[in-house]
Amino acid sequence: DTGVSQNPRHKITKRGQNVTFRCDPISEHNRLYWYRQTLGQGPEFLTYFQNEAQLEKSRLLSDRFSAERPKGSFSTLEIQRTEQGDSAMYLCASSLSLQTYEQYFGPGTRLTVT
Amino acid sequence: GENVEQHPSTLSVQEGDSAVIKCTYSDSASNYFPWYKQELGKGPQLIIDIRSNVGEKKDQRIAVTLNKTAKHFSLHITETQPEDSAVYFCAASMGWREQAGTALIFGKGTTLSVSS
Repeated sequence: DTGVSQNPRHKITKRGQNVTFRCDPISEHNRLYWYRQTLGQGPEFLTYFQNEAQLEKSRLLSDRFSAERPKGSFSTLEIQRTEQGDSAMYLCASSLSLQTYEQYFGPGTRLTVT
Repeated sequence: GENVEQHPSTLSVQEGDSAVIKCTYSDSASNYFPWYKQELGKGPQLIIDIRSNVGEKKDQRIAVTLNKTAKHFSLHITETQPEDSAVYFCAASMGWREQAGTALIFGKGTTLSVSS
């Protein structure tokens, strides 16, 4: 069990460009969450997958954001036409099943939009 | 909407002292309350959690208490050490949004500094 991994760890992009982040959850964890964290704040929920199904999206997830989890394993989060306000740490977390509540976070991807 | 208030925002203690961080939640349907420790440049690390059917839980130097009636829960760290210095976040599950699994609402964090 190597924990939740995220790639890349850092991404610097220019406004208007598209970016994609990847999250690999802990093996056999069927629940996967994406959160966004800005400086000095706690993480904010973006979206949730149970296996390959995306079951919930926050109002924070604008039309420029899309997330996938093909085959119920790794997940990707894409941001199209990035804006400076998208600069944040994007965190991924996974949990084992409906019966276990514990969520384990990855190290995050720090996005800077210039 | 749902909200989690966390106090204090900063806390400075001497090594060996106790530290207490308090949170209040608004969603009466919340039933899971974890605490996370976040060090600079790292993701949040789960340190202890409590479910709504339990009033107190302890793990070595850390303990969490829950008052469902008052919608309060607190983190207690005893015999603090310099390595306890970090940002601590409380969180509550989005109880009313069944489709959200156990998606969490976080407080704004408490920066704990332990000086030796």
